[in-house]
Amino acid sequence: QVQLVESGGGVVQPGRSLRLSCAASGFTFSDYAIHWVRQAPGKGPEWVAVISYDGTNKYYAESVKGRFTISRDNSKNTLYVQMNSLRPEDTAVYYCARGKAGATMSFDYWGQGTLVTVSS
Amino acid sequence: DIVMTQSPDSLAVSLGERATINCKSSQSILYSSNNKNYLAWYQQKPGQPPKLLIYWASTRESGVPARFSGSGSGTHFTLTISSLQAEDVAVYYCQQYYSTPYSFGQGTNLEIK
Repeated sequence: QVQLVESGGGVVQPGRSLRLSCAASGFTFSDYAIHWVRQAPGKGPEWVAVISYDGTNKYYAESVKGRFTISRDNSKNTLYVQMNSLRPEDTAVYYCARGKAGATMSFDYWGQGTLVTVSS
Repeated sequence: DIVMTQSPDSLAVSLGERATINCKSSQSILYSSNNKNYLAWYQQKPGQPPKLLIYWASTRESGVPARFSGSGSGTHFTLTISSLQAEDVAVYYCQQYYSTPYSFGQGTNLEIK
């Protein structure tokens, strides 16, 4: 069965950095685009970034461009996001989500999420 | 950027009755070359991630009950639950994947009347 498990969240001060990971299993990881989607407390989801199946193409939301970097290691079936210069408005549950085959920018499987809190 | 607007924000429907949720995009999300609408619907229950229900505006995801259906084209879309069950209580979101940033609606909170 498809599983996505995020880790690396926590409490961090504004301006600091954090790296999240997403471990995938139950499918051929290297065949799929994978996304990061976040959800602030009490708000709707917000798409953050996507990386293509082979890592060659990456796209970001304007709100994180230049601060966040998405990457993947297909040999380890793992997705990452390096988050720098964190701001209080980055506080959210961060989900990794698989791009659906054939409708790649919709999300057919999601992890349970990891909470990032940016606060002094 | 494409803005997605859902209506209503909240909806209370009796068990067994029809529930209808609307979603409007600020520009057309119909791609003319393949005649597909780049719209998905998700269901989110408390403490859980969103779950994909519908993609291409009207294609039901595998395992999703037939009482869920999607319709619409261009800029106006609808999610219909034909006969509301207790387990359908959730927040529902539409999402466009026509262009980045892939934006969601603000959500519709569906409750039992």
